[in-house]
Amino acid sequence: DAGVTQSPTHLIKTRGQQVTLRCSPKSGHDTVSWYQQALGQGPQFIFQYYEEEERQRGNFPDRFSGHQFPNYSSELNVNALLLGDSALYLCASSPGLATTDTQYFGPGTRLTVL
Amino acid sequence: EDQVTQSPEALRLQEGESSSLNCSYTVSGLRGLFWYRQDPGKGPEFLFTLYSAGEEKEKERLKATLTKKESFLHITAPKPEDSATYLCAVCALSKSSGSARQLTFGSGTQLTVLP
Repeated sequence: DAGVTQSPTHLIKTRGQQVTLRCSPKSGHDTVSWYQQALGQGPQFIFQYYEEEERQRGNFPDRFSGHQFPNYSSELNVNALLLGDSALYLCASSPGLATTDTQYFGPGTRLTVL
Repeated sequence: EDQVTQSPEALRLQEGESSSLNCSYTVSGLRGLFWYRQDPGKGPEFLFTLYSAGEEKEKERLKATLTKKESFLHITAPKPEDSATYLCAVCALSKSSGSARQLTFGSGTQLTVLP
């Protein structure tokens, strides 16, 4: 049973560029959440997708946007990259919106902004 | 605002030296408390979910407990392979949406077990 997968593994961009990160959820999961983890910190919630709609959003600017496809996979887009966007971006999936469902994380995408 | 504080920030143990990690939280409407293990450069690996005060769960050398204000991760006779960052997260009910699937994480405890 494949777990959560993310691509690419690493990415290097320059300030002002745009980036797209991809996530495939664990088999049987239909809800995808994205998190940003700065070095030495815990993950911070960006947003969550269910039934192809953004259901909740954390305290992140509109430069961060996303999409969920009919097969439940998801993309995270970041526009006008800033140096401070350098971080590990994590995707997590869960089976539905029930509040007690465990979220399972992918390996992450390491984004470096120069 | 939900808050999660983990202590200590870093912990060095000798192999076989048992200890505990603390996670204190302030949240209204707790729906679950989660423990994850994270190795450098990798995604968090799920360990435990606790739902109510008094609940305990065990897995190999790890045991997680929950009270109304904090959770403990007890590590018994640790081995070098237990070295990792241990993250605590809470899931609470969203007042705006009526449901909640976002996790609020602490900053983690970096555990090093020396042989």
